Amino acid sequence: GAVVSQHPSWVICKSGTSVKIECRSLDFQATTMFWYRQFPKQSLMLMATSNEGSKATYEQGVEKDKFLINHASLTLSTLTVTSAHPEDSSFYICSARGLVSRSRTYEQYFGPGTRLTVT
Amino acid sequence: DAKTTQPTSMDCAEGRAANLPCNHSTISGNEYVYWYRQIHSQGPQYIIHGLKNNETNEMASLIITEDRKSSTLILPHATLRDTAVYYCIVTLTSYDKVIFGPGTSLSVIP
Repeated sequence: GAVVSQHPSWVICKSGTSVKIECRSLDFQATTMFWYRQFPKQSLMLMATSNEGSKATYEQGVEKDKFLINHASLTLSTLTVTSAHPEDSSFYICSARGLVSRSRTYEQYFGPGTRLTVT
Repeated sequence: DAKTTQPTSMDCAEGRAANLPCNHSTISGNEYVYWYRQIHSQGPQYIIHGLKNNETNEMASLIITEDRKSSTLILPHATLRDTAVYYCIVTLTSYDKVIFGPGTSLSVIP
């Protein structure tokens, strides 16, 4: 399948600081990217959907001023957790959807995730 | 809200077929059934999807009932590496977002 990468794979930051997570589609152009959050022993929760060049659409209950999403190109989206607090500690997963040349269909592929720990 | 229901957990002996059921009684005519799995601390991995015909690929087979209200994912020869949470998802594919339910935690036992 297509490859989606995330960087960093894990990060530790201090409370009150901001941290940026990158999501890249490596071998296809992602017209849409999604950000999920997953707490231990729970399922993935969709946070927001972003289309290249436009503002992200946030799910109900997700603070858009706290979780800043930028999708400036067809291969890169970033999630910035601003003024992080310990309760923001979680596993953040992105996914990218686009036309995959091998299958010639629009499919959604997931990144490996980023483990954020806020101390 | 997730449009599917799955058992919370299942066990399967190594080398045997793992059959994971999914109910999606409210599926509409143009919605697909997708299966993903998530191995611990990794991102979800696409397995297979289908509309109404049965599908097979190198990873698994997908059997969809004629009324499309339920489906079964079959891993023909389960290995220890197949231990994961398996998610059954109903979506309009190209135009819809993927919403995850709780999934089925499959444990493959030696």
